[in-house]
Amino acid sequence: DTGVSQDPRHKITKRGQNVTFRCDPISEHNRLYWYRQTLGQGPEFLTYFQNEAQLEKSRLLSDRFSAERPKGSFSTLEIQRTEQGDSAMYLCASSPSGTGYTGELFFGEGSRLTVL
Amino acid sequence: AQSVTQLGSHVSVSEGALVLLRCNYSSSVPPYLFWYVQYPNQGLQLLLKYTSAATLVKGINGFEAEFKKSETSFHLTKPSAHMSDAAEYFCAVAGTASKLTFGTGTRLQVTL
Repeated sequence: DTGVSQDPRHKITKRGQNVTFRCDPISEHNRLYWYRQTLGQGPEFLTYFQNEAQLEKSRLLSDRFSAERPKGSFSTLEIQRTEQGDSAMYLCASSPSGTGYTGELFFGEGSRLTVL
Repeated sequence: AQSVTQLGSHVSVSEGALVLLRCNYSSSVPPYLFWYVQYPNQGLQLLLKYTSAATLVKGINGFEAEFKKSETSFHLTKPSAHMSDAAEYFCAVAGTASKLTFGTGTRLQVTL
């Protein structure tokens, strides 16, 4: 079990540039979640997938944000035309689903974005 | 909708002292509750979870939490703090599809 991995761990970009983050979940997990965490705050839900289907998006996910999980395995989160307010830690988590599952999410180390 | 409130954004204890981090929840259904720990520039690690079995839940690193329905609380405790416990602690409640709603966190400082 290699855990949830995220890449890159750190990204510094200039305002207006596009950035993409990748998440590889635990292999047998069919649910994948993206959260955003700003300084001094708890993680906030952005979106989640069950297999390749994106089933829910938070209103925090503006139209500059897009997430995909094309084959139900890894996922990407792209932010277009970045703004300074996008600076945050982007956390990916995965979980299995099914009857009796008790809801624990397994988190990656996060991708920290700094927009200059 | 479910929510959690963490009382106290910063808690400071001496090494060897009792740790008490407070969490109150709001849920229209019997909740699944979690405590996670986060070290600087790292992801979140599960400490323990309540899933409607025993009300006193034991977790890793000597932490435990007690679910009290009458008080809508799920406070985290550890009898004796260690320097390595210094971190940010988050309480969370599970919603549909295991989506977690987190509190704002409590930063634990441990002093000599």
